Amino acid sequence: DVKVTQSSRYLVKRTGEKVFLECVQDMDHENMFWYRQDPGLGLRLIYFSYDVKMKEKGDIPEGYSVSREKKERFSLILESASTNQTSMYLCASGGQGKGYTFGSGTRLTVV
Amino acid sequence: GQQLNQSPQSMFIQEGEDVSMNCTSSSIFNTWLWYKQDPGEGPVLLIALYKAGELTSNGRLTAQFGITRKDSFLNISASIPSDVGIYFCAGRRTPSGSRLTFGEGTQLTVNP
Repeated sequence: DVKVTQSSRYLVKRTGEKVFLECVQDMDHENMFWYRQDPGLGLRLIYFSYDVKMKEKGDIPEGYSVSREKKERFSLILESASTNQTSMYLCASGGQGKGYTFGSGTRLTVV
Repeated sequence: GQQLNQSPQSMFIQEGEDVSMNCTSSSIFNTWLWYKQDPGEGPVLLIALYKAGELTSNGRLTAQFGITRKDSFLNISASIPSDVGIYFCAGRRTPSGSRLTFGEGTQLTVNP
């Protein structure tokens, strides 16, 4: 069964901390994505990557960066966490022309 | 970024009722997908549609790719309590492209 695994289900971090959210997929997909989900706003794309060491900004990249050193791993980095980054973060992966497989999500609270 | 127009935003129904939701766009899409998100989980793919006019079923779920390629609908028949969740439509503009555009979701509540 194909899997996208996010390292944490729940995280609580302090304002100003550097936060790493990790995502690993076992499907050999080229494409990986990070979304945030907030009530009433749907899924908003933060960053995506279509190959190792390649990244593209999504719709709301401000305050975030990403890293893709290996094909199976895509990390989302909050350089200096702020309270407005409290959200549900979803990682997804997908092959060309195929649907995405999502992870279970990380609910991040910044206090 | 571009969003698909998904409606309704929320639905409150009784167990056993049928449900219909749809997505529209001003642009043509080559692929339509429907996802369901259970509370506290990530979205899971329900149905994928690849051709205009295509009608596909998955158990009690039926989805169609609109003839104009600018819309899609999802029907759920004889709803049950475990149908509760958020349903998202998603579209892809090019056949081999990687990026999907998502609707804002339909929150479904089923009363026993």
